[in-house]
Amino acid sequence: LAKTTQPISMDSYEGQEVNITCSHNNIATNDYITWYQQFPSQGPRFIIQGYKTKVTNEVASLFIPADRKSSTLSLPRVSLSDTAVYYCLVALLGNDMRFGAGTRLTVKP
Amino acid sequence: EAQVTQNPRYLITVTGKKLTVTCSQNMNHEYMSWYRQDPGLGLRQIYYSMNVEVTDKGDVPEGYKVSRKEKRNFPLILESPSPNQTSLYFCASRGTGSSYNSPLHFGNGTRLTVT
Repeated sequence: LAKTTQPISMDSYEGQEVNITCSHNNIATNDYITWYQQFPSQGPRFIIQGYKTKVTNEVASLFIPADRKSSTLSLPRVSLSDTAVYYCLVALLGNDMRFGAGTRLTVKP
Repeated sequence: EAQVTQNPRYLITVTGKKLTVTCSQNMNHEYMSWYRQDPGLGLRQIYYSMNVEVTDKGDVPEGYKVSRKEKRNFPLILESPSPNQTSLYFCASRGTGSSYNSPLHFGNGTRLTVT
């Protein structure tokens, strides 16, 4: 099972773009990359998922290079409400799903 | 409304007193899992279940038991709780029948304190 490595924390200011990178050197051929967001005392919630290249939805973009050994979550124009912990998860369909320690993002006014 | 329901939300107990935290999902999901979350350690998986009567250990299974007799329920059992099991617990589920990696749906958590 691929292990993920993320920065422990990041700071940003309102209106800026934030990029959080996750390293997953041992990703397997069939693994997908999924990002979750967690607010204090709440369960994580799904943000975005991808397999390769670029995926975009209404809240974020996910960039995955050709070798798939890393991925970058991009949050455009963050606001104070984006302050949360962000987790990168790499898992095969149907396999056990293990989270890393996550990245604590703090958005300042 | 599609959801994962955990009970109780808060629980204070004493060392050695058996307890059960219930988890139920109404989405007909095959996969269910339990996590604990401690400061600075992120989410660590305790047990997971691929389907009824199929369970497997995660990263930190010691001191916990689970059962999966029905598809919708996945209770977490602490036979003899100890203070080091004081933590925030999350149950999650996902479907596995689709062709892509469907995301996990989490419950609202159970904060357990063992004194």
